Amino acid sequence: AQSVSQHNHHVILSEAASLELGCNYSYGGTVNLFWYVQYPGQHLQLLLKYFSGDPLVKGIKGFEAEFIKSKFSFNLRKPSVQWSDTAEYFCAVTAYSGAGSYQLTFGKGTKLSVIP
Amino acid sequence: GAGVSQSPSNKVTEKGKDVELRCDPISGHTALYWYRQSLGQGLEFLIYFQGNSAPDKSGLPSDRFSAERTGGSVSTLTIQRTQQEDSAVYLCASRTTVSSYNEQFFGPGTRLTVL
Repeated sequence: AQSVSQHNHHVILSEAASLELGCNYSYGGTVNLFWYVQYPGQHLQLLLKYFSGDPLVKGIKGFEAEFIKSKFSFNLRKPSVQWSDTAEYFCAVTAYSGAGSYQLTFGKGTKLSVIP
Repeated sequence: GAGVSQSPSNKVTEKGKDVELRCDPISGHTALYWYRQSLGQGLEFLIYFQGNSAPDKSGLPSDRFSAERTGGSVSTLTIQRTQQEDSAVYLCASRTTVSSYNEQFFGPGTRLTVL
């Protein structure tokens, strides 16, 4: 079974600082990778996804992530954060299962607090 | 509708009571998932529906948990004899199997509190 680990539980940054959130997964086969975001009081929203092709993927609101297969990593980055990026960020992976469910396996999440 | 909807948004119940949580997926989405988000365990998969059948129930934590889906649309998650450890946010997600992309769209969740 696959698993996902996110290295940081809580990250505090000042506005305009650069962001990198770590994500590593364990699974030997082909995976699809996602970052979801949950803003305070809102539901989970997809930030970006990787299925195949260019390992550098760009998402909404200036976020990007790089898939490094050799390191089993899918780190999320943003060059300059804003106060509105304050949220909880979840890395997730899906892989084919016998039941064809492609359920998401999530990391524990990283809370990002951006100080104005 | 435009997105996945869930009801109720909040549910407070007493230990030992049964609860039903409802999910309305995006129209046309044949795949439906239930997840649970709790403080200690994070986000966990519970069950997957393809149409009205549930080929993957591997995440259900005990036989007190069950779910059904009717008409390939609405799903109900039932928890019998609720326990305090069932307190969590229960999330529903749906996706289309028409596309090869496996993006799941999430609803707002039902916050369950067992007293």
